[in-house]
Amino acid sequence: GAVVSQHPSWVICKSGTSVKIECRSLDFQATTMFWYRQFPKQSLMLMATSNEGSKATYEQGVEKDKFLINHASLTLSTLTVTSAHPEDSSFYICSARDQKGNINQPQHFGDGTRLSIL
Amino acid sequence: AQKVTQAQTEISVVEKEDVTLDCVYETRDTTYYLFWYKQPPSGELVFLIRRNSFDEQNEISGRYSWNFQKSTSSFNFTITASQVVDSAVYFCALSVGNNNDMRFGAGTRLTVKP
Repeated sequence: GAVVSQHPSWVICKSGTSVKIECRSLDFQATTMFWYRQFPKQSLMLMATSNEGSKATYEQGVEKDKFLINHASLTLSTLTVTSAHPEDSSFYICSARDQKGNINQPQHFGDGTRLSIL
Repeated sequence: AQKVTQAQTEISVVEKEDVTLDCVYETRDTTYYLFWYKQPPSGELVFLIRRNSFDEQNEISGRYSWNFQKSTSSFNFTITASQVVDSAVYFCALSVGNNNDMRFGAGTRLTVKP
């Protein structure tokens, strides 16, 4: 079945560091990928929608300059947390939708990235 | 606006008990999709079911069953004869529109004790 690979699975770094998280669709092409953030014991909140070849669409309250999204190919989207601070520590999950067929194909989720900023 | 409400924050049952997780949704769209995901302690999301708004048939998959009722905007999930391995956080989610971004409920943490 469809697989979405997210890397790295765990990051610990110092405050002020920029961290890049990759989301790859391994066996399908995805014109649209989604980035979610989940704080401990909370739900997943959509941060942004990543569109291949165009700018990402950010949800209200999400700083686009803080969370840089690049979707340069049909199989890869990256999220860069710039100048990360402890409050950015969270679980980040990406998802992708197979572009073939009906637009309402289900999303496939990556396994998530635990980001801890010291 | 879309909204998903999972009123049960935490549920604790003893193994072999049946348990129902509630999900109520809000949307003005007539075409939408509802989902249930399981999130074990390891963090990954495990897809359980997707149901579109035009299919109100209930579904059973092994010990899992889902009851979709548009009249009450509910999509409840029942686990029969629960097992310790069912312990996880369960999310109900709603997807509408062309872009399919998903709105998640707050989640229900299910603990099944031996």
